[in-house]
Amino acid sequence: AQSVTQPDIHITVSEGASLELRCNYSYGATPYLFWYVQSPGQGLQLLLKYFSGDTLVQGIKGFEAEFKRSQSSFNLRKPSVHWSDAAEYFCAVGASGTYKYIFGTGTRLKVLA
Amino acid sequence: DAGVIQSPRHEVTEMGQEVTLRCKPISGHNSLFWYRQTMMRGLELLIYFNNNVPIDDSGMPEDRFSAKMPNASFSTLKIQPSEPRDSAVYFCASTAGFNTGELFFGEGSRLTVL
Repeated sequence: AQSVTQPDIHITVSEGASLELRCNYSYGATPYLFWYVQSPGQGLQLLLKYFSGDTLVQGIKGFEAEFKRSQSSFNLRKPSVHWSDAAEYFCAVGASGTYKYIFGTGTRLKVLA
Repeated sequence: DAGVIQSPRHEVTEMGQEVTLRCKPISGHNSLFWYRQTMMRGLELLIYFNNNVPIDDSGMPEDRFSAKMPNASFSTLKIQPSEPRDSAVYFCASTAGFNTGELFFGEGSRLTVL
């Protein structure tokens, strides 16, 4: 079955600390992988995506993610978190030519001053 | 360039009333999606349109839900009659094509059915 798992529902970090949000997927085809961010009261915004090539991808707002095929993972990282990063983060998987993106249940990030 | 525009942003209605949510996709995008977001079920795809044609409505929960896309710049999601369990945030999203991979989301319509 196709699925996306974000094992951490909530994560709290101090401002300036590093961050890693986990994402594991199960997908039959070669996956396209995405991370979206949702600020309160807003829609989802794309942070970064992986289609092929270099397994370390850079995104907006200083985020990066690494695709590890052997672990079926696509974890999101940021070396130093800012208070404005407090939001909910969604991992998603899709594939070439498909419209059915599968979203994880999200990880809510809280940043302590 | 304007993003995906949804209206209303908030809707409070009573059970049994008709609700219509509206969406204007980004100009030039030929694919449009309606999603529903709840705490219990996360983000669910309700219906997908391509070139104004409904391709997949298997996510529409029941006959009380209907969606239309009369032209490339406008779509509606209608619930009639509404029920308290329909309370959720409804998102519209559009994309120019799946090669880009990116879905552009509106800010959502928060529906509360009393």
